[in-house]
Amino acid sequence: AQTVTQSQPEMSVQEAETVTLSCTYDTSESDYYLFWYKQPPSRQMILVIRQEAYKQQNATENRFSVNFQKAAKSFSLKISDSQLGDAAMYFCAFYRGATNKLIFGTGTLLAVQP
Amino acid sequence: EAQVTQNPRYLITVTGKKLTVTCSQNMNHEYMSWYRQDPGLGLRQIYYSMNVEVTDKGDVPEGYKVSRKEKRNFPLILESPSPNQTSLYFCASSLWAPTSNQPQHFGDGTRLSIL
Repeated sequence: AQTVTQSQPEMSVQEAETVTLSCTYDTSESDYYLFWYKQPPSRQMILVIRQEAYKQQNATENRFSVNFQKAAKSFSLKISDSQLGDAAMYFCAFYRGATNKLIFGTGTLLAVQP
Repeated sequence: EAQVTQNPRYLITVTGKKLTVTCSQNMNHEYMSWYRQDPGLGLRQIYYSMNVEVTDKGDVPEGYKVSRKEKRNFPLILESPSPNQTSLYFCASSLWAPTSNQPQHFGDGTRLSIL
């Protein structure tokens, strides 16, 4: 069974600094997709970034980038120049087309200190 | 405005009283899904629907039913709710399955409390 592990329940970063959230997953497949979602206090779920496993290049979206290590089954999220609005719960998620299921990690609560 | 609408937003009810949480999307999306969110467990998929003809179980389907009679609606039904179904529920939709470049749109969530 596929699993997604986020080992950091809580993280804290100073405004304007950089923080990295970790995510590891377990699968025997080679074709899958990985996502990071942000959930602010409003409870909305917002897609931050996605990565296709067949792409070696790490995805980037403005201040958000990933470090995708396929062999290590690691998918970390780096937030640069952290802003107060980045404070939220962040979920890593895994999708494999063969099962059509989206599996989420347990989340990392990020606090941004002014 | 493109959106996924869930109702109700909050509900407190008692064990055994059937309830339905509605979900409607106005984006002509094929893929719809239900999740529950519990502290320390993240989001877990209850059911998903690839299109109006295909609906299947997620990881935690026990005690839930769904239907997809038309593309825009995907209600979640609790026939006999129990306290362990107290949770925050999200409906989501996307044009196709999450593999596509189209992101999943989430509703605002429904907080259910089963006493």
